[in-house]
Amino acid sequence: KAGVTQTPRYLIKTRGQQVTLSCSPISGHRSVSWYQQTPGQGLQFLFEYFSETQRNKGNFPGRFSGRQFSNSRSEMNVSTLELGDSALYLCASSLGQSPSYNEQFFGPGTRLTVL
Amino acid sequence: KQEVTQIPAALSVPEGENLVLNCSFTDSAIYNLQWFRQDPGKGLTSLLLIQSSQREQTSGRLNASLDKSSGRSTLYIAASQPGDSATYLCAVSLMDSNYQLIWGAGTKLIIKP
Repeated sequence: KAGVTQTPRYLIKTRGQQVTLSCSPISGHRSVSWYQQTPGQGLQFLFEYFSETQRNKGNFPGRFSGRQFSNSRSEMNVSTLELGDSALYLCASSLGQSPSYNEQFFGPGTRLTVL
Repeated sequence: KQEVTQIPAALSVPEGENLVLNCSFTDSAIYNLQWFRQDPGKGLTSLLLIQSSQREQTSGRLNASLDKSSGRSTLYIAASQPGDSATYLCAVSLMDSNYQLIWGAGTKLIIKP
């Protein structure tokens, strides 16, 4: 069974631009969560989607948004990029509605660099 | 506000040693606690999940314990190998926040051959 895939793996953008990251969960998984990882702040929860609905949201500004499609694939979008948005963005999928109850499987991440 | 702390931030030991990684949390009202491993530049791999009603979980050379009353969890690695070198993170899920995961900063482990 294929694991969680994320595209692209690496991305370089400039301030003010916007970016869209994609995540394909493990087949059969309906929950997708997104995290931002930086050396200074560590892992921070962005949002979680289940059956195309956002179930949980972390403390990030409205520039960060996401969505989930009927096939459970998910995208996250960051508009008006800032230098501080440079990070590793991780996606995780799980079977159930609550990712904390069900084991999460992580993708390799997308490394975003904002210049 | 729940805070998760992992001490030490880094650890270097010779191959073959048994070692313990620590994770502490400030609020005992957790749903479960998970340990993950992260290799450089890679995603996270789930190692062990302990439900709040459990005291420990074992997988191969790994054993994780949970003491909710004292707000502590330990990850015990037996007979360490160079391939165990990675960053180990713990995360707790909160009962009061839709089971959102709160993460520790991790312990970077280096096993010297």
